[in-house]
Amino acid sequence: QLQLLESGPGLVRPSETLSLTCTVSGDSITSSSFSWGWIRQPPGKGLEWIATMYYTETTNYNPSLKSRVTISVDTSKNQFSLNLKSVSAADTAVYYCGRQPGHCSSTTCFGYYAVDVWGQGTTVTVS
Amino acid sequence: EIVMTQSPGTLSVSPGERATLSCRASQSVSTNLAWYHQKPGQAPRLLIYFVSTRATGIPARFSGSGSETEFTLTISSLQSEDFGVYYCQQYNKWPLTFGGGTKVEIK
Repeated sequence: QLQLLESGPGLVRPSETLSLTCTVSGDSITSSSFSWGWIRQPPGKGLEWIATMYYTETTNYNPSLKSRVTISVDTSKNQFSLNLKSVSAADTAVYYCGRQPGHCSSTTCFGYYAVDVWGQGTTVTVS
Repeated sequence: EIVMTQSPGTLSVSPGERATLSCRASQSVSTNLAWYHQKPGQAPRLLIYFVSTRATGIPARFSGSGSETEFTLTISSLQSEDFGVYYCQQYNKWPLTFGGGTKVEIK
């Protein structure tokens, strides 16, 4: 059974870098059919997509965060990570990682980029 | 970016009644539209993708319809476990975007 688990510090100081890791169990992160993404949810608010990557490190970022965000993969550990630099109180949120059953070649895309499996989420407070 | 607008913001429904939720896109998303359900303190759960395809394990009382810019999620007979917030999401173009959500509460 596929499971995703976010980990990282729950408290980050303003102007520092938020670093989170998502550990995937029950499937390989190098599966050709899936991409892997990060989504966040500020307290009492809706969902915001942050970024998506394929294991070949093809990435897509939300333009509103692109200048501060980096996502990467460690295939040896079956993990992918999120780094968000220069954080402020506006970055306080529950951060989710998820599997997305889509991927794109240079010419076309396959599947779909909804999130079909979610991690439980991890709360990050910037203060 | 494509802006997703959901209505109503809150829907009060009695158990056993039908619930109809709407989602509008600021430009066409073709059929690249998903719906999620989120209960308090939990991660969202995928209900439907490609407008009307139910995800694994989702009961038949959930149905989706629409195309281009107008979409509907219908819950034919609301059960107690269906209360919570519902989100639509488009994946037709980057950046992926979500609607603001519809809260379904007990009437």
